Amino acid sequence: GQNIDQPTEMTATEGAIVQINCTYQTSGFNGLFWYQQHAGEAPTFLSYNVLDGLEEKGRFSSFLSRSKGYSYLLLKELQMKDSASYLCAVLDSNYQLIWGAGTKLIIKP
Amino acid sequence: ETGVTQTPRHLVMGMTNKKSLKCEQHLGHNAMYWYKQSAKKPLELMFVYSLEERVENNSVPSRFSPECPNSSHLFLHLHTLQPEDSALYLCASSQELPGVPPGELFFGEGSRLTVL
Repeated sequence: GQNIDQPTEMTATEGAIVQINCTYQTSGFNGLFWYQQHAGEAPTFLSYNVLDGLEEKGRFSSFLSRSKGYSYLLLKELQMKDSASYLCAVLDSNYQLIWGAGTKLIIKP
Repeated sequence: ETGVTQTPRHLVMGMTNKKSLKCEQHLGHNAMYWYKQSAKKPLELMFVYSLEERVENNSVPSRFSPECPNSSHLFLHLHTLQPEDSALYLCASSQELPGVPPGELFFGEGSRLTVL
């Protein structure tokens, strides 16, 4: 079967750095997405990786290793507004999106 | 504001009621989706419409009935639901291009459904 694993919950301190991991086992691979979802709000797109390596976008970076079936989302200089759920999703060989259950990130002052 | 609007935001209904969820996208996209989001579970794709034709139905119970009258509007008709159907129902849209992998989804804020 197809599976996406990410931690259920993480806690970090304002101003610090946090890394949210995502491992996947899917039928084929056509890219990996990260979305952010604040409580009671719509998920919003953060990043898309299809090639190995690190993609940086401001305070957020996303890394992909296709050989390891692994990605992470790195958040730097954490702010209170970064408290949210972070969803990892993989596009499989049939172009179906396979979703993880999300990681709830709690930022403490 | 994501360009995708869902109404109502909250809905409480009994198991014998009939209600509908509405979604409207103002982005000019050609594909729309219904997802179910339950606590601590992955998003479940329910229905996909591309160019107003249903292209996917992931074995969803018949008590959920989608309708896509045009590329900007999507409905989810609800009838004889069960308590386990209580969840957040998210609508999304995207722009699909021939020969190009599906891209970014734009989500609405969801309709929180409670079935008593």
